[in-house]
Amino acid sequence: AQSVTQLDSHVSVSEGTPVLLRCNYSSSYSPSLFWYVQHPNKGLQLLLKYTSAATLVKGINGFEAEFKKSETSFHLTKPSAHMSDAAEYFCVVSETYSSASKIIFGSGTRLSIRP
Amino acid sequence: SQTIHQWPATLVQPVGSPLSLECTVEGTSNPNLYWYRQAAGRGLQLLFYSVGIGQISSEVPQNLSASRPQDRQFILSSKKLLLSDSGFYLCAWRKSEPNYGYTFGSGTRLTVV
Repeated sequence: AQSVTQLDSHVSVSEGTPVLLRCNYSSSYSPSLFWYVQHPNKGLQLLLKYTSAATLVKGINGFEAEFKKSETSFHLTKPSAHMSDAAEYFCVVSETYSSASKIIFGSGTRLSIRP
Repeated sequence: SQTIHQWPATLVQPVGSPLSLECTVEGTSNPNLYWYRQAAGRGLQLLFYSVGIGQISSEVPQNLSASRPQDRQFILSSKKLLLSDSGFYLCAWRKSEPNYGYTFGSGTRLTVV
């Protein structure tokens, strides 16, 4: 069975400082991993995805994530936070053995940016 | 390019009234379709998914139902809404192949009063 754990429900950083949103996963098969961002009352937007190619994945808006199999982690980072990064972030795992595979969402991390 | 449309954007319904939320996808064929619900302060919960016309899988027992009358149309329904049905409903699609990411609609904010 697959699962995903986002270790922090809320992260607050100052503008211009680094961002780290933590995610650990559990999967019986080779997983695909995603990060989505959701601004208030909006749908979810794909930030980046890992699908067994390069372990360091670069996404939109300067975000990147590194897949670490030994640690079963897929943490999201950004070198310098911007006010527009304030949103809810979801880590998602999907097992790749089936084309009809379902995805499992983490509980979300709310990112706040202090001026 | 592929697009996903979901409507209405917001909806206020009395308890006991029926519900119909619609989602359509353009620019692709035979997509996998999904309905998720996001309750206030909580993560996303998968409600239904469909891998083809008339094929619906339910993840959570509840008073909601889903139908897929056409290849790119996915409808979420209820005969009688409950207060606990309030939330943010998201439709999503993906291609029927592994590793393909999900694309989400803009969501429907449902408030049951």
